[in-house]
Amino acid sequence: KQEVTQIPAALSVPEGENLVLNCSFTDSAIYNLQWFRQDPGKGLTSLLLIQSSQREQTSGRLNASLDKSSGRSTLYIAASQPGDSATYLCAVSIEYGNKLVFGAGTILRVKS
Amino acid sequence: NAGVTQTPKFQVLKTGQSMTLQCAQDMNHEYMSWYRQDPGMGLRLIHYSVGAGITDQGEVPNGYNVSRSTTEDFPLRLLSAAPSQTSVYFCASSYSYGGAEAFFGQGTRLTVV
Repeated sequence: KQEVTQIPAALSVPEGENLVLNCSFTDSAIYNLQWFRQDPGKGLTSLLLIQSSQREQTSGRLNASLDKSSGRSTLYIAASQPGDSATYLCAVSIEYGNKLVFGAGTILRVKS
Repeated sequence: NAGVTQTPKFQVLKTGQSMTLQCAQDMNHEYMSWYRQDPGMGLRLIHYSVGAGITDQGEVPNGYNVSRSTTEDFPLRLLSAAPSQTSVYFCASSYSYGGAEAFFGQGTRLTVV
């Protein structure tokens, strides 16, 4: 059974720091990995999607990498801002048809 | 572009009541699914559908029923609500090929008392 773990569970950093969120999964047979952002009481916003054949994706200050063989992904946030404060979720697609298995998330707080 | 729309946003039920959570998408996606989100546990798959007339169970299907009569709509029915079903429910849609990007609704926060 695929399991997804996110470390750390919570992170508090001062504004301007570069930071890394980690996601690991137990079965390398995935179709893609997606990073989401969730604001309190809100839905999920897709940040980055990495296909299983890709190594990384970038969007603005965000960079996500994927090492399928070792079952790891990292989300790098450059020059963090208070507006980045949210819960970050990673999910892997495990079947044709797009079943997703989620990690429990990392709660990020960026202090001004 | 509406994307994935869920209604209602909030609901309070008494134990034993039934209700339907609505989900609609306007992206002509074949694949639709329902997840529940509980504190500290991430999202878990309840039911999913790969097209009109085809549904299947996910990880936590007990107490829930689904049907898919159209491509656009995928309602989730709670048959007899229990306090353990207090949760935030999310509907998602995507194209059905592996690797397609998933799009989520804004969620329904359900409390069963």
